[in-house]
Amino acid sequence: EAQVTQNPRYLITVTGKKLTVTCSQNMNHEYMSWYRQDPGLGLRQIYYSMNVEVTDKGDVPEGYKVSRKEKRNFPLILESPSPNQTSLYFCASSPSAGYSNQPQHFGDGTRLSIL
Amino acid sequence: AQTVTQSQPEMSVQEAETVTLSCTYDTSENNYYLFWYKQPPSRQMILVIRQEAYKQQNATENRFSVNFQKAAKSFSLKISDSQLGDTAMYFCAFGDPQGGSEKLVFGKGTKLTVNP
Repeated sequence: EAQVTQNPRYLITVTGKKLTVTCSQNMNHEYMSWYRQDPGLGLRQIYYSMNVEVTDKGDVPEGYKVSRKEKRNFPLILESPSPNQTSLYFCASSPSAGYSNQPQHFGDGTRLSIL
Repeated sequence: AQTVTQSQPEMSVQEAETVTLSCTYDTSENNYYLFWYKQPPSRQMILVIRQEAYKQQNATENRFSVNFQKAAKSFSLKISDSQLGDTAMYFCAFGDPQGGSEKLVFGKGTKLTVNP
């Protein structure tokens, strides 16, 4: 089954404790992206990756890091989480740039609470 | 930068009736894509329908259809024969394949409630 898998689904943690949210896709997609969803703001892009070892900032990259060492994985790293990073996070992937006939596939989301 | 506006934070409709969700966007691009995503209480992001800007014909998917007005930069979603399972947040999104980042720009969402 084609899917984007995020882990964990839920996490409550404390300020300053480094955490990683993993994202893996099994569709051999080139493009992967992270979004955060906040009430009243919709979804906003954090980082994206066009392919292995190619990453770039989205609209709200502050406080986040990413890496793309393998095509299937695109982890989101919060080196020193703060309460303003409490949010719902989505990983998404698509075959390549330009959308063609394939839209982005989303993971099921990760609810992060930073105390 | 592109922006997407959904002017209806919340809407409700009776089961079996028709409802239209509005979306407007701002861009200087000529070729782009538009999407409607549904987010039920399970939080999944589910693609409802998509439209390529170069196609004049409005997209349809079963009970879902769009009214795409390119000149007016409007992209509304019509849900016919509403069902209880249509209760969800609906997000309009703009995609620019020439923008370089390939990101989707989302509106703030419309919460739709279908009443029995």
